[in-house]
Amino acid sequence: GEDVEQSLFLSVREGDSSVINCTYTDSSSTYLYWYKQEPGAGLQLLTYIFSNMDMKQDQRLTVLLNKKDKHLSLRIADTQTGDSAIYFCAAQGGGNKLTFGTGTQLKVEL
Amino acid sequence: DTAVSQTPKYLVTQMGNDKSIKCEQNLGHDTMYWYKQDSKKFLKIMFSYNNKELIINETVPNRFSPKSPDKAHLNLHINSLELGDSAVYFCASSQGGTETQYFGPGTRLLVL
Repeated sequence: GEDVEQSLFLSVREGDSSVINCTYTDSSSTYLYWYKQEPGAGLQLLTYIFSNMDMKQDQRLTVLLNKKDKHLSLRIADTQTGDSAIYFCAAQGGGNKLTFGTGTQLKVEL
Repeated sequence: DTAVSQTPKYLVTQMGNDKSIKCEQNLGHDTMYWYKQDSKKFLKIMFSYNNKELIINETVPNRFSPKSPDKAHLNLHINSLELGDSAVYFCASSQGGTETQYFGPGTRLLVL
């Protein structure tokens, strides 16, 4: 089955850019998503990209997809303390199945 | 307006008990899901229903039984609760199985 991997932690200073990386194994994945989870809260959809695109920008968020390498990244420009959370990458494969990565804990320091 | 809601938000119970978690969505979606998030924050799908019909059933113990009375509701009933069932359970919904999934706030289950 699909395997989605992310690094566990990322620490950045306020105002810097954050880049969270994700790799997946199923080349037939159609959509790739980024979700944000704040402490004690549910999952908030941030953005997604269709597999035939290589970039999508949405305000401070930029998603890059390298389909050949099965690599997805989320760049957050001008990172703020309110961006501190766990970020999950998820790949939509066959059979309506969404497979999540392990989550990356982003810590924003002053 | 809450799009995907779950009740209860917190559930503390003894081992061996039977409990239910309810999920409702008002987005008009036809597909609903249950996910389990363990203590290490790992999220895994448990079930998926499309128009009240079971589509995905991962390797979940048969103590877990989803019930979909209509396409806006997907409840999760758990029999004979075990310590290892302690987790956060998320409900989600989408329009069709390939569209974006929207998640509920989660139900934090603690089995003592």
